[in-house]
Amino acid sequence: QKEVEQDPGPLSVPEGAIVSLNCTYSNSAFQYFMWYRQYSRKGPELLMYTYSSGNKEDGRFTAQVDKSSKYISLFIRDSQPSDSATYLCAMSRPGGYQKVTFGTGTKLQVIP
Amino acid sequence: GAGVSQTPSNKVTEKGKYVELRCDPISGHTALYWYRQSLGQGPEFLIYFQGTGAADDSGLPNDRFFAVRPEGSVSTLKIQRTERGDSAVYLCASSLEGTSGRPYYNEQFFGPGTRLTVL
Repeated sequence: QKEVEQDPGPLSVPEGAIVSLNCTYSNSAFQYFMWYRQYSRKGPELLMYTYSSGNKEDGRFTAQVDKSSKYISLFIRDSQPSDSATYLCAMSRPGGYQKVTFGTGTKLQVIP
Repeated sequence: GAGVSQTPSNKVTEKGKYVELRCDPISGHTALYWYRQSLGQGPEFLIYFQGTGAADDSGLPNDRFFAVRPEGSVSTLKIQRTERGDSAVYLCASSLEGTSGRPYYNEQFFGPGTRLTVL
């Protein structure tokens, strides 16, 4: 079993829809929870991160972490065609450096 | 440059050949990471450098893979006796020095990757 599980999709939604992406994990030592966005033939770019449990909001994006369930989510409001990309959840332990463990990635397409 | 650069962008080689992949991190970033991303998968950690030394090479799959960072800036990932299973996108990332015990994530900035194809 992988440390981080993520549904690969693909997920297709109409423009303006609310998108929900999620991951589960098994390693209780993870304390940093990140969401990266990756466009085709590009490197991943960090969208947002959360330390430990809780919610974090940044514009149209909201990240949620439930450590008791080992479950994290990313919500995208008012989705736009430019949001079409692969979304990778990622996690790491605390410490002097942060080796990151990624999920498989969910491919999202927002239809105009 | 402003971001992490990687060369070449594409590399096609034959089984059994030797390849070198180069990463030029963001200026001032002391931490450098190599990841491998196979088709339909997320990036998989290979090795981490803090300065010139490899602080964690636990992700290197076998002794055919080796990486160096002799001057603490540019890094080269070297693969000997390439196999078809080595075909993937090799990503490099850099960040500021890691913190300890604080709720702050030192963002890893990724390059565009080198797409390696072993025929």
